[in-house]
Amino acid sequence: GQNIDQPTEMTATEGAIVQINCTYQTSGFNGLFWYQQHAGEAPTFLSYNVLDGLEEKGRFSSFLSRSKGYSYLLLKELQMKDSASYLCALNTGGFKTIFGAGTRLFVKA
Amino acid sequence: GAGVSQSPSNKVTEKGKDVELRCDPISGHTALYWYRQSLGQGLEFLIYFQGNSAPDKSGLPSDRFSAERTGGSVSTLTIQRTQQEDSAVYLCASSTSRGMNTEAFFGQGTRLTVV
Repeated sequence: GQNIDQPTEMTATEGAIVQINCTYQTSGFNGLFWYQQHAGEAPTFLSYNVLDGLEEKGRFSSFLSRSKGYSYLLLKELQMKDSASYLCALNTGGFKTIFGAGTRLFVKA
Repeated sequence: GAGVSQSPSNKVTEKGKDVELRCDPISGHTALYWYRQSLGQGLEFLIYFQGNSAPDKSGLPSDRFSAERTGGSVSTLTIQRTQQEDSAVYLCASSTSRGMNTEAFFGQGTRLTVV
């Protein structure tokens, strides 16, 4: 089976940096996704990590350590529009994707 | 179409009635997923179709839930004898099986309310 843990909520200030952590246990692992979901909308893809290390994409970066079962999403220069839920998801093999409960991020002025 | 299409967008049904939710995936995508999301919660995996392989039904919460995918394209999720706890947003997603970056593209979901 799989288990994915993320903080339920986080609050950060506009212009700041925030790190959202995700720890997981799984018997099969192909890679780890991060998705963003604004309230009332469908999730949208942010990143996909297969190998250990940091992947940078504009203001967003994602880190993976397979040996530690750990990932984080780093958001820089926070904007109000970044207020959303951030979902960590595992590609468990056979292209099946399992999602965590998500972290609700509130960005305040 | 250009994206994943789901219908209806909203459905209100009486307890005990059957409902059918439809998903039209992105053309050429062989993988199709159904998820359920209750208010303020994460995505709960329901069922996964990959090409012509037998579907992974391990997430279906009870035998009242079933899904099929005809011709490797359109999928229908059926909930029989609906209960109030079935009220949620049902999301469908599709992805290509080619390559390692199997990003899933989501539809806008069907909001089901059982009264």
